[in-house]
Amino acid sequence: QKEVEQDPGPLSVPEGAIVSLNCTYSNSAFQYFMWYRQYSRKGPELLMYTYSSGNKEDGRFTAQVDKSSKYISLFIRDSQPSDSATYLCAMNQGGGNKLTFGTGTQLKVEL
Amino acid sequence: GAVVSQHPSWVICKSGTSVKIECRSLDFQATTMFWYRQFPKQSLMLMATSNEGSKATYEQGVEKDKFLINHASLTLSTLTVTSAHPEDSSFYICSARGTGGRDEQFFGPGTRLTVL
Repeated sequence: QKEVEQDPGPLSVPEGAIVSLNCTYSNSAFQYFMWYRQYSRKGPELLMYTYSSGNKEDGRFTAQVDKSSKYISLFIRDSQPSDSATYLCAMNQGGGNKLTFGTGTQLKVEL
Repeated sequence: GAVVSQHPSWVICKSGTSVKIECRSLDFQATTMFWYRQFPKQSLMLMATSNEGSKATYEQGVEKDKFLINHASLTLSTLTVTSAHPEDSSFYICSARGTGGRDEQFFGPGTRLTVL
């Protein structure tokens, strides 16, 4: 079993839809959670960084962490074609330790 | 802020030659940098962790004599692929750890290496 599980998709939604992306993890020591967006042939771009359980909002993006269920989510409101990319969840124990990534979910927002 | 650059963005080389890839943190000092490799439609695979002024820590299965990493300053880390072969062709991405006690990593744009 992988430490971090993420549905690879592809996920296709119409423009304007609310998108829900999810990851589950097995290591209860993970304390820091991140979401990255990666366009084809580009490096990942940090979207959200969270530490504790709960919600964090930034513009159209909301990150949700439920440590008791070992489950994290990223919600994208009013999705746009420019949101079409691969979304990677990542997490670590803190202290500068290496990140453990999910496999990434490929999202396509269609006109 | 938190911009990381990589150079070159792509490189084509002949089998047997060595290729050096640079990773720079442009607007912050990075005591720790990471090197990843990514194959098409796959997630990032951590190759090594690079700390300024010390030897890199390589992940299991990564040949340290083939992938030489040097982190000589707080803003520059280099990855040298020695005696490259076609199977080394891949997308190489570096990242730098944020400062101020935060643990997020900021990624460079990546370098696409093609070995003929």
